[in-house]
Amino acid sequence: TQLLEQSPQFLSIQEGENLTVYCNSSSVFSSLQWYRQEPGEGPVLLVTVVTGGEVKKLKRLTFQFGDARKDSSLHITAAQPGDTGLYLCAGVGRDDKIIFGKGTRLHILP
Amino acid sequence: GAVVSQHPSWVICKSGTSVKIECRSLDFQATTMFWYRQFPKQSLMLMATSNEGSKATYEQGVEKDKFLINHASLTLSTLTVTSAHPEDSSFYICSARDSPSQPQHFGDGTRLSIL
Repeated sequence: TQLLEQSPQFLSIQEGENLTVYCNSSSVFSSLQWYRQEPGEGPVLLVTVVTGGEVKKLKRLTFQFGDARKDSSLHITAAQPGDTGLYLCAGVGRDDKIIFGKGTRLHILP
Repeated sequence: GAVVSQHPSWVICKSGTSVKIECRSLDFQATTMFWYRQFPKQSLMLMATSNEGSKATYEQGVEKDKFLINHASLTLSTLTVTSAHPEDSSFYICSARDSPSQPQHFGDGTRLSIL
């Protein structure tokens, strides 16, 4: 069974600070995705990384895919209250199914 | 962009009743639709995958006779929770995609509460 472990599960930091969220697995994925989910809504895709070692930037968010395609990280620079939310990493397996991590609940204090 | 609409967004009903949830792709053809379940503070768990015109493929541990999935058109899939019980209370989310090379687009979910 493919599993994705996210850490930390919860993170509360002050506005302006930097943070990193990690997503780890013992399995190799064809690609890895990061989503953001608001309460009572479905997840919204932020980015997909495909190549080992790939780095993608989305404004203040930097996503990295591990060289072995088993892990990924999300780094947020100068966090803002609008970044508050649940961040989910998800691995896409060879069967094209998406395996979701449990998520990191991020709270940015103004 | 690709939009997936779920209806209803919230439903409360008595134990023993059946509940139907609709998932529609509004501006693209959903060749494949996925149904997920998310319990509080848990992640999304895939329940089943359905291709238009074919029977759904259920994940291990998901009862196909309890969770009936119909995907009769390229824009609509329905999930019917039959004889629902309190333990079926959860957040049900569908997603849809046009082809395997395209990302899944998620609906806003349906919160099901069984009394």
